[in-house]
Amino acid sequence: DAGVTQSPTHLIKTRGQQVTLRCSPKSGHDTVSWYQQALGQGPQFIFQYYEEEERQRGNFPDRFSGHQFPNYSSELNVNALLLGDSALYLCASSLAEGAKPNTEAFFGQGTRLTVV
Amino acid sequence: AQRVTQPEKLLSVFKGAPVELKCNYSYSGSPELFWYVQYSRQRLQLLLRHISRESIKGFTADLNKGETSFHLKKPFAQEEDSAMYYCALTGGGNKLTFGTGTQLKVEL
Repeated sequence: DAGVTQSPTHLIKTRGQQVTLRCSPKSGHDTVSWYQQALGQGPQFIFQYYEEEERQRGNFPDRFSGHQFPNYSSELNVNALLLGDSALYLCASSLAEGAKPNTEAFFGQGTRLTVV
Repeated sequence: AQRVTQPEKLLSVFKGAPVELKCNYSYSGSPELFWYVQYSRQRLQLLLRHISRESIKGFTADLNKGETSFHLKKPFAQEEDSAMYYCALTGGGNKLTFGTGTQLKVEL
């Protein structure tokens, strides 16, 4: 099992552009969460997907959207990129809370997004 | 609102010395507390969680609800403990709230 995989590993975009980041969860996991980690900060929760629906959302604008596919993989889309969106984007997978309480979240290596 | 505070950005100790990484939280309810660790060039991974009451790699953490703290401790630091440590909590739904992290540096 390769664990949680994210692509691409690095990305450079220009202000105003749109970006799509991808995540494949750990085998057997059905829930995907996305986090933004700015330099020198801890990860901040963006949103979580389960059964192809957004279940929880953090304090991020609508420019941040996502999708989950039937195979549980997920995408994070960011529109109208700002310089402040430059960060490491982490994907974490887990089992749904109802299926297995207090399940551990496994993290990917992250995608480093630089907006210029 | 839920919040996790890690007051130290950097903690430097000598090998064999005791380690205590501080974590305080704010949450109106009964949260679950975690410590995550990130070794150099590796992904973020779970170190321990308070409900397990385990000792992992010699580390322990006790949840003190009165002081709303979940400090991470190890009696004798090892060189391989050098890493970034994040305290986190969840109130349910697997949404994690992280602190800003403490860089632990173990010097020889």
